Amino acid sequence: GQQLNQSPQSMFIQEGEDVSMNCTSSSIFNTWLWYKQDPGEGPVLLIALYKAGELTSNGRLTAQFGITRKDSFLNISASIPSDVGIYFCAGYGGATNKLIFGTGTLLAVQP
Amino acid sequence: SQTIHQWPATLVQPVGSPLSLECTVEGTSNPNLYWYRQAAGRGLQLLFYSVGIGQISSEVPQNLSASRPQDRQFILSSKKLLLSDSGFYLCAWSVFQGALGSPLHFGNGTRLTVT
Repeated sequence: GQQLNQSPQSMFIQEGEDVSMNCTSSSIFNTWLWYKQDPGEGPVLLIALYKAGELTSNGRLTAQFGITRKDSFLNISASIPSDVGIYFCAGYGGATNKLIFGTGTLLAVQP
Repeated sequence: SQTIHQWPATLVQPVGSPLSLECTVEGTSNPNLYWYRQAAGRGLQLLFYSVGIGQISSEVPQNLSASRPQDRQFILSSKKLLLSDSGFYLCAWSVFQGALGSPLHFGNGTRLTVT
């Protein structure tokens, strides 16, 4: 079946550092979504991308819809302790155009 | 604005007991509704989705069922819980957005522990 490969699986960084994570697919995607999940809560939508090459920002977060339509990137600049959580990519694409989630990137930020 | 309510937040149930988790959405009409389960390992597994009242699609065979008695109400049920039903259950909604995939908006989840 269709899969989304999300990397890295986890990151342990110092406050103030920049963070990059990405998702890749074996199929072409039409929409890319990035979510953040705090412990014990539901995922919250951060950024939605609808066009190849699109670059969208939300505060210190920036996400890009890859030109090949098979990948997406999320960058967090100047990380702060409240950035801690699990970041999920998700996308619609492939033969079924169903929503598929990545396996998540666990981010830990040390003050 | 749209809001989603999911309850209870936590639940501890013995094996063999019934289950009913409820989810309601406010501020939108005819939403698509979803139930996901998240295991401790973090992945999100789609259990059921619904595009309208009484219309339920099941993604995986299991011990659970879903119902949509009203436009903005989605219920997850089981007649007899198994230990393997433990997990974090998330309800979500979306609106139809044509060819573009619509983002899902999640509730705060129910932590179910079957003992």
